[in-house]
Amino acid sequence: DVKVTQSSRYLVKRTGEKVFLECVQDMDHENMFWYRQDPGLGLRLIYFSYDVKMKEKGDIPEGYSVSREKKERFSLILESASTNQTSMYLCASSFPQPQHFGDGTRLSIL
Amino acid sequence: RKEVEQDPGPFNVPEGATVAFNCTYSNSASQSFFWYRQDCRKEPKLLMSVYSSGNEDGRFTAQLNRASQYISLLIRDSKLSDSATYLCVVNGRDTGFQKLVFGTGTRLLVSP
Repeated sequence: DVKVTQSSRYLVKRTGEKVFLECVQDMDHENMFWYRQDPGLGLRLIYFSYDVKMKEKGDIPEGYSVSREKKERFSLILESASTNQTSMYLCASSFPQPQHFGDGTRLSIL
Repeated sequence: RKEVEQDPGPFNVPEGATVAFNCTYSNSASQSFFWYRQDCRKEPKLLMSVYSSGNEDGRFTAQLNRASQYISLLIRDSKLSDSATYLCVVNGRDTGFQKLVFGTGTRLLVSP
């Protein structure tokens, strides 16, 4: 079974903080993705990566950056957290389809 | 127009009922189609892929109609444990072959 592990289930941070969300997959998948999910809006793609050190913007990249230094790890960075980034964050991996998700991180920015 | 559209529901059905969901997609180049299931406050999990000829997995049947650009999911003999949100998912070359577009989901409530 594919295992995608996100570093935290729940996280509370303050406005202006730099926030790191970590994701690790154990299936040697090429592709990794970060989404956020909000009520009524569904899953929206923030960033994705097809390979190590490679990244591409998704539909809502503003206020976020990513890092993929190793194949198994894909990090999402909130450069300066704001309250409108309070959301459920989901990491996924695939090769090539379908995508398998981690448990999610419920992030609250106060 | 949304790339993937679903009726949000909820669909309220009794145990043992048959229920069907439809989903429409706008990108005629889409090549891969899936149904995911998402329980409350949990991550989406793959329920089944959808193939051109239609496919079945136990009580679940998925159909694809490329001409009309819709996908359906049929659940027979509904169980209480089927209560969840069902996400219709597609991809396509001009949205990035590896990228998936998720519908906002159809909520199903199965009651005793």
